[in-house]
Formats: sequence, structure tokens, C-alpha cells
Amino acid sequence: DTGVSQDPRHKITKRGQNVTFRCDPISEHNRLYWYRQTLGQGPEFLTYFQNEAQLEKSRLLSDRFSAERPKGSFSTLEIQRTEQGDSAMYLCASSLAREQSKLFFGSGTQLSVL
Amino acid sequence: DAKTTQPPSMDCAEGRAANLPCNHSTISGNEYVYWYRQIHSQGPQYIIHGLKNNETNEMASLIITEDRKSSTLILPHATLRDTAVYYCIVTAYGQNFVFGPGTRLSVLP
Repeated sequence: DTGVSQDPRHKITKRGQNVTFRCDPISEHNRLYWYRQTLGQGPEFLTYFQNEAQLEKSRLLSDRFSAERPKGSFSTLEIQRTEQGDSAMYLCASSLAREQSKLFFGSGTQLSVL
Repeated sequence: DAKTTQPPSMDCAEGRAANLPCNHSTISGNEYVYWYRQIHSQGPQYIIHGLKNNETNEMASLIITEDRKSSTLILPHATLRDTAVYYCIVTAYGQNFVFGPGTRLSVLP
């Protein structure tokens, strides 16, 4: 499978714990995006990278959230001191910089904070 | 906030054309109309986009009105696998997508 891969698919954690998600984009894609989606809503943009540089962060991304893409390939999204309001689907997408209209999304990581 | 308005839900009979409307009355001259869909338990999938001309690809057709204030996504022969949430997004090229709640299309046998 050469699509966008996210791991894990599901994560259950207790309030106050830290969690980390991984995204492996399509190999030649230099842009990588993180979105969050709650039930019944469309995805909300969190942040994106071009290669290893984080170029934009949404105001939704509190200081408990941090994303990295150290070598311009895979990316991680860490949430520290999780809260129940962090429960959501976290989606990763990738694209070529020259074809920004076409984002390819992974199937997401479903986070449940108890 | 999303710049588009879509009906929350629609039904379509299998084999018939599905016409999904989208209003974007405040669209700017440099903004494109994009359509994505999200099938249950999957991430969104790109369908089509356009600026002012009508567009067609293997998945769908996009009809944009002359004043660009509204558009229609057409799935010419809907199948059960087209059941999904369809998102209409208006944004300038290279800007981030703002997804609204979309239209939940149910294709009925």
C-alpha cells in the first residue's frame, strides 16, 4: 500500500497522559498536514510542513500539541497532558507542493481520552 | 469559518445522477471551488476542483455558475459506494482547506 499510513488506528488514554501519533506520507510528497475531526464536523486544520519546516500552525493548536517532521519524511503529533476535549479523529494528509489541490488523507487515529 | 453552504443531507437512487449543490456567494476572484468526500471510517478523498470553467474527470463533473456564487457537483451514475459526506470548499490556491459539515449523501438501492 503506497497511501498515507497512520499509526495507531485507535488510542485510548487517561486524562493527563501524553500520547504520540505517527504519520507516514506518500513517499514523494513534500507537504504533510495534520487535521482534527470531531463527530459530525468536517476536519479542522492544525498544522502543515513543507519538507522538515513547519510553515503554519492553527490557533487551535494549543501549547500542549507539538508536531515534528525531523527528516522531511514521517511526522509525529504529540499531545501532552491530554484532556477529554482532545478526543477526536486525528487525520494526516500529504501532497506535492506543486499539486496542493490534491491532498491524500490517511484513515486517521481515533483518540479517546477517559 | 467555512465560506460555503451545503444542505446537510440528500438521498439519491442508485444509478441516477446525484446533484450536490453548494452556495459560495462571497467567493473572491482568486478562489477555487474544491470538492472532497469522506466515506465512513476513512479520510477525505479529493474529487475535483475548478476556478470558473466547468470541469469533468473520471469521478464527477463540476458546474460553476457564471457569477461563481454557486456550484453543483454531479455524480452521473451514483452507486452504493458513493454514499459519503461531500465537502465543498472555497479557498485560494495554496491556502489551507476549511471544511464545513458537508452534505451527507445516501445512495439508496
